[in-house]
Amino acid sequence: QLQLQESGSGLVKPSQTLSLTCAVSGGSMSSGGFSWSWIRQPPGKGLEWIGYIYHSGGTDYNPSLKSRVTISEDTSKNQFSLKLRSVTAADTAVYYCARGDDSSGDDYWGQGILVTVSS
Amino acid sequence: DIQMTQSPSSLSASVGDRVTITCRASQSISRYLSWYQQKSGKAPKLLIYAVSNLQSGVPSRFSGSGSGTDFTLTISSLQPEDFATYYCQQSYSSPRTFGQGTKVEIK
Repeated sequence: QLQLQESGSGLVKPSQTLSLTCAVSGGSMSSGGFSWSWIRQPPGKGLEWIGYIYHSGGTDYNPSLKSRVTISEDTSKNQFSLKLRSVTAADTAVYYCARGDDSSGDDYWGQGILVTVSS
Repeated sequence: DIQMTQSPSSLSASVGDRVTITCRASQSISRYLSWYQQKSGKAPKLLIYAVSNLQSGVPSRFSGSGSGTDFTLTISSLQPEDFATYYCQQSYSSPRTFGQGTKVEIK
């Protein structure tokens, strides 16, 4: 059974960089041709897709965040990461990682990690 | 960006009721439409993908239909564990976008 687990700092100061990692277990990121996504949800609000990294290593980002986001992978550790620069309070959210593809939806999700931006 | 609009934003229903949630895309998205269920404090769970395909393990009381721009999620007989918020998502074009959610509450 595939499992995803987010980790990283739960508190980030304004203007600094949010850094999260998603560890994948029970399967290899390199197999199956999936995309590996980051999605966030501000408290009490809806879901926002941040971006993903493809099985081939390519990336795609939400234009609303593109100038501040980098998603990368470390296949040797079977994990992928999110960096969001120059954060503000508006970036406070639960951040989820997920596996999926365009035709089958996101079928595996991490439990989510709350990141608060505050001084 | 493709805008996804769900209706209603919330609804109250009783156990055993038939519930229908609609999702409209601002342009055609072919069959690149998924539905998710999210319970309070939990990650979203994939229910249906490609408009009408039931994800493994999801009860058959859930069904999806539609094409082009208009889509529907139906719960044929609402159960206590179905009270949650439901989201549609398009994966036809980047950026992937979600509907604003429909909260299903107990009447």
